[in-house]
Amino acid sequence: GAGVSQSPSNKVTEKGKDVELRCDPISGHTALYWYRQSLGQGLEFLIYFQGNSAPDKSGLPSDRFSAERTGGSVSTLTIQRTQQEDSAVYLCASSLGGAGGAFFGQGTRLTVV
Amino acid sequence: TQLLEQSPQFLSIQEGENLTVYCNSSSVFSSLQWYRQEPGEGPVLLVTVVTGGEVKKLKRLTFQFGDARKDSSLHITAAQPGDTGLYLCAGAELTGGGNKLTFGTGTQLKVEL
Repeated sequence: GAGVSQSPSNKVTEKGKDVELRCDPISGHTALYWYRQSLGQGLEFLIYFQGNSAPDKSGLPSDRFSAERTGGSVSTLTIQRTQQEDSAVYLCASSLGGAGGAFFGQGTRLTVV
Repeated sequence: TQLLEQSPQFLSIQEGENLTVYCNSSSVFSSLQWYRQEPGEGPVLLVTVVTGGEVKKLKRLTFQFGDARKDSSLHITAAQPGDTGLYLCAGAELTGGGNKLTFGTGTQLKVEL
């Protein structure tokens, strides 16, 4: 596709269940970012992949959160044993890795009930 | 993690008024970007400023990067209802061969008729 694609667009899960969020970046983009956003707030950095370098995981809030990027393309963010405070919009973005901007997907709205 | 503080957090103005949004940090960035986000969508890049002291204009929007590359401002002239949205600044930090983006706290702008 022409843009960053995220799936699912909405996810409702029960507390304690695991969830997987998927991101398909723009083809050729070497950088991939995951952020979390609460309603009307700024973006909280989670993790950053750049080419073949080790990912920057410094923003992951706990060891329940993990992310992979396979083959330098698709990325999956996994949240284990979800808690109500995990409810938010999870945004993925990709970029060419230079000074240019990042292109965002529409996000996955996660609701933990 | 580098922090970017935006002010004001909320701004409600009448059509035709001017406004300025500020983005401040104690850290130096290789570049700074401004995004606008509308409800249910991902942020969309407006501009990237790279050089200290740089000023860029995009129609009624004027962006400035501070001389020390730690802060930036966004000025909107004669605001219109279509300018309504969440404005986000993002600082780029060179790492791992690419740019890690840290986002500001956001400014929610509402322009009324």
